[in-house]
Amino acid sequence: GAGVSQSPSNKVTEKGKDVELRCDPISGHTALYWYRQSLGQGLEFLIYFQGNSAPDKSGLPSDRFSAERTGGSVSTLTIQRTQQEDSAVYLCASSLGRGREQYFGPGTRLTVT
Amino acid sequence: KQEVTQIPAALSVPEGENLVLNCSFTDSAIYNLQWFRQDPGKGLTSLLLIQSSQREQTSGRLNASLDKSSGRSTLYIAASQPGDSATYLCAARTQGGSEKLVFGKGTKLTVNP
Repeated sequence: GAGVSQSPSNKVTEKGKDVELRCDPISGHTALYWYRQSLGQGLEFLIYFQGNSAPDKSGLPSDRFSAERTGGSVSTLTIQRTQQEDSAVYLCASSLGRGREQYFGPGTRLTVT
Repeated sequence: KQEVTQIPAALSVPEGENLVLNCSFTDSAIYNLQWFRQDPGKGLTSLLLIQSSQREQTSGRLNASLDKSSGRSTLYIAASQPGDSATYLCAARTQGGSEKLVFGKGTKLTVNP
């Protein structure tokens, strides 16, 4: 079946602009995660959604970052007033639920100029 | 706070060799540990998920072990092939309710023909 998909695959934006990144999880997966992979920091957790529960936002680096998940499926990660340090690959993952194996999408490479 | 370390950062071996990749974690109260491979410019491919109650998991030429008391996991690759060349990442999910994976920085494996 189809895996996790993300769009766009690449995004170049100017400093100060807002960007939206999209994630389509595997059908039937109730849990969805966002991570960020940057050269110096490795892979970092950003946010986790599970069903209708309140999301775990503990990894979001600043209030410029937000995410929502509509209808328990598609998720959008929004970065407002982008900064150069936001340049990274943003990875989305989904799983069947708590403690289950996480499956990752191909990522969105964000470059802030 | 959970920290995950992978040593060495890079490893080069001739084709056909058996090899072991190491992963260590600081908090032994883990829920499970997941091994991934990442090919250049791609997302993460899940290889094995090993639960805290398990000692090892096998898939084909791959075998992952887990020793919570020593804070270590190993990924054994038998009869390595050039197609195994990739970066291998381990990630721990800690007990206590958080669903986030804490990643090591990976071991870049090169298998030479």
